[in-house]
Amino acid sequence: EAQVTQNPRYLITVTGKKLTVTCSQNMNHEYMSWYRQDPGLGLRQIYYSMNVEVTDKGDVPEGYKVSRKEKRNFPLILESPSPNQTSLYFCASRGYANTGELFFGEGSRLTVL
Amino acid sequence: RKEVEQDPGPFNVPEGATVAFNCTYSNSASQSFFWYRQDCRKEPKLLMSVYSSGNEDGRFTAQLNRASQYISLLIRDSKLSDSATYLCVVNGGNTGFQKLVFGTGTRLLVSP
Repeated sequence: EAQVTQNPRYLITVTGKKLTVTCSQNMNHEYMSWYRQDPGLGLRQIYYSMNVEVTDKGDVPEGYKVSRKEKRNFPLILESPSPNQTSLYFCASRGYANTGELFFGEGSRLTVL
Repeated sequence: RKEVEQDPGPFNVPEGATVAFNCTYSNSASQSFFWYRQDCRKEPKLLMSVYSSGNEDGRFTAQLNRASQYISLLIRDSKLSDSATYLCVVNGGNTGFQKLVFGTGTRLLVSP
């Protein structure tokens, strides 16, 4: 089954404790992206990657890091999480041949205390 | 001004009703337009792309007005299962699909 898989789905952590949210897709897509969704603000892009070893900042990259060492994986790293990073995070992917449709993971709800 | 603006709703309609949502965008260079559907606490999923000539998919019709910079979604014969949040999505000008800007969504509640 074609899918984008994120882990963990739910996480409660404390300020400053490094964490990684993994994202993996099995559709051989070149493009992958991370979004955060907050009430009243909609989905905002954090980082995106056009292909392996190619990443770029989105609209809200501060406090986040990403890497793209393999085509299928695009982890999101929070080196020192803060409460304002409490949010619902979505990973998405898209193939170049696609019309622009993004395939989203199920989301990761992160709470930073 | 937000790049993509939508009325947050909620729109409360009875089953069988016709309902329409509008969305305005600020970047006149935008070329691609989409409607996504998001169920409560779930991931967004593509509902339909919006083409210049307008397009229809069953009970759903999407229209684009470039002059006024808005797109619309019309849902006919609403079903209970149409209850969801509808996200207007626009590409960020000349960025192709690298930067898709999402509206905050319009919530639809269809009641029996």
